[in-house]
Order: sequence, then structure tokens, then C-alpha cells
Amino acid sequence: ETGVTQSPTHLIKTRGQQVTLRCSSQSGHNTVSWYQQALGQGPQFIFQYYREEENGRGNFPPRFSGLQFPNYSSELNVNALELDDSALYLCASSPGGFNSGNTIYFGEGSWLTVV
Amino acid sequence: GENVEQHPSTLSVQEGDSAVIKCTYSDSASNYFPWYKQELGKRPQLIIDIRSNVGEKKDQRIAVTLNKTAKHFSLHITETQPEDSAVYFCAATPNQAGTALIFGKGTTLSVSS
Repeated sequence: ETGVTQSPTHLIKTRGQQVTLRCSSQSGHNTVSWYQQALGQGPQFIFQYYREEENGRGNFPPRFSGLQFPNYSSELNVNALELDDSALYLCASSPGGFNSGNTIYFGEGSWLTVV
Repeated sequence: GENVEQHPSTLSVQEGDSAVIKCTYSDSASNYFPWYKQELGKRPQLIIDIRSNVGEKKDQRIAVTLNKTAKHFSLHITETQPEDSAVYFCAATPNQAGTALIFGKGTTLSVSS
């Protein structure tokens, strides 16, 4: 049990639609990151939030956006869905900054299928 | 930016044998190196991690070594068991503001009894 919960666990969307995925972290976990894991691949870093501000981004287009809230929850929003967006989306959190070497905990993930 | 290479991509061993997975990283400022085990359809689970001020860490049958000079780190599993079969990922955190884990491509470990 990592204390990181994600919802929904599975969902199916149509190409062009928008999706919001949610994550709830442990109290005190100020840093949250989102990852995309395509089938058979390693997780790819999307972006990171620290104290409600984005402070790092991987190689993903602007249609991937996020929010972090004061209650340690966060959202990943993806607009104009494409078939290649089908993947497992993972949320990860840490009690400190991700550069501090604190242990990073993953949620169970949200499986997104775009048809 | 940081790049993490992981080898081998697949590894098959007999139960009781040892397994070794190796990773190299490019950013000498990286300071945190976790290893994750991922079973089919599940989230990555942290199995062991090492920080840049430590050369080796052991937890029962699992050990990780870090060579900062050569910029590589390795996962060692001894006395493998069928339940060790999974995909293993190494990762590194580059020491830059606002950057999170960079993962290797994974190693599929199969332990046959």
C-alpha cells in the first residue's frame, strides 16, 4: 500500500474527446508526477507539480495539462485524444522534492483506451 | 537530458540461480536510483533504491550496486524464485530543478522451476 490512489481504474474514450484522471496522495506529499506507460514500454515522465505549481515537464505536447490542489490531490487532463494516448497513466508522489532523493510512490494507475 | 540504458531486455534463469540487470545513466549529477518490479497489469513497485552517497545496498535476496565513476548501477537477485518473474525497471533522478524519474526500457525476467 503506497497511499496513492487513482481514479478511474479503466476508461474508454473516443478520439478527439477530453479526459481527466485523478490522483490522491498521502498527506504531506508535496510533489506529484504523472507518467504515461504504453504497453511494453517503461513509464515516460509527463510533468511534475510541487506545491501546486508545475516545475518540470517531459516531452509531451501542451494538450497534456495538470493541476495540483492543496489537499494533496491532483489531476491530469488530456485534450483532443489520439489513438496513441492509449496507455496506463501513473501518478507518483513524494514527501519532498523529487530531487532530494526521497522515495517515490506510485498509484495503481488508470488504464485509458482511445478508440 | 538524462538517458538511462538497461540491459538485458530479457533474462531467463533457473530457479535458485542469480540474476543481474545492469543500467547506465548519462547525467553525472543524478543522485537517486530506484528499481521497480512490475507484474502484468499492475503498478511499478519499488523493490530497492540507492542514493549517490552509497556504493551498495542489500535487502534479503536483492542487492543494488552503484559505480558513480562509471555511471552505472546494477540489480542483483540471488536464489531466484518463480514469483520473481516480472518486468524490472531501473530509473534515475537527474539533479535538475523540476525533473522526476527517467526510466530504462525494462528487463523481462523469467524464472523457471
